[in-house]
Amino acid sequence: ILNVEQSPQSLHVQEGDSTNFTCSFPSSNFYALHWYRWETAKSPEALFVMTLNGDEKKKGRISATLNTKEGYSYLYIKGSQPEDSATYLCASSHSGRRALTFGSGTRLQVQP
Amino acid sequence: EAEVAQSPRYKITEKSQAVAFWCDPISGHATLYWYRQILGQGPELLVQFQDESVVDDSQLPKDRFSAERLKGVDSTLKIQPAELGDSAMYLCASSSSGQVTGELFFGEGSRLTVL
Repeated sequence: ILNVEQSPQSLHVQEGDSTNFTCSFPSSNFYALHWYRWETAKSPEALFVMTLNGDEKKKGRISATLNTKEGYSYLYIKGSQPEDSATYLCASSHSGRRALTFGSGTRLQVQP
Repeated sequence: EAEVAQSPRYKITEKSQAVAFWCDPISGHATLYWYRQILGQGPELLVQFQDESVVDDSQLPKDRFSAERLKGVDSTLKIQPAELGDSAMYLCASSSSGQVTGELFFGEGSRLTVL
């Protein structure tokens, strides 16, 4: 069974703060890494899908990096806003079993 | 904007009862997934369909859970009999390809409480 770890479990920041979370996954047989944002009472929404070591992706104030050799990805939010409050999930896929394995998420609360 | 539809949003049932969840994926999406998320944990794949065929059901508790996608469009997930440990959010997702390099589109989920 693959183990995908996310840290921290939860985070409280003030509006305007920049923040980052970590997703750790097995480095062997890596195939893809997904990030999703899940707001309360809504459906999880894809942020990024990354496959290449060293990949960096950006969407507005949110960006992500990927290190497949050491098995981690960082998600950065610049200038957090209250609407960024959500649970951020990462999931990895490996060639042994292609199905995504999700971490338990990082719950972000941005105080106005 | 096209969405994945799920129903019911909330279901409360007593243990040993039967319960069913329905999912209608985005039109044209061949791949459909059912995930279960227990509070405090990440979503866990229960079953993956490619069109009407099951691709992966290795984590589906087959003694009580069943899933079907008869015409390769909408899908039903059934639990019979429900147990206390089945209380969870059941998420349906679809994608245009079966490749994990493609993003998943999720529904809002069905929250099950078993009393």
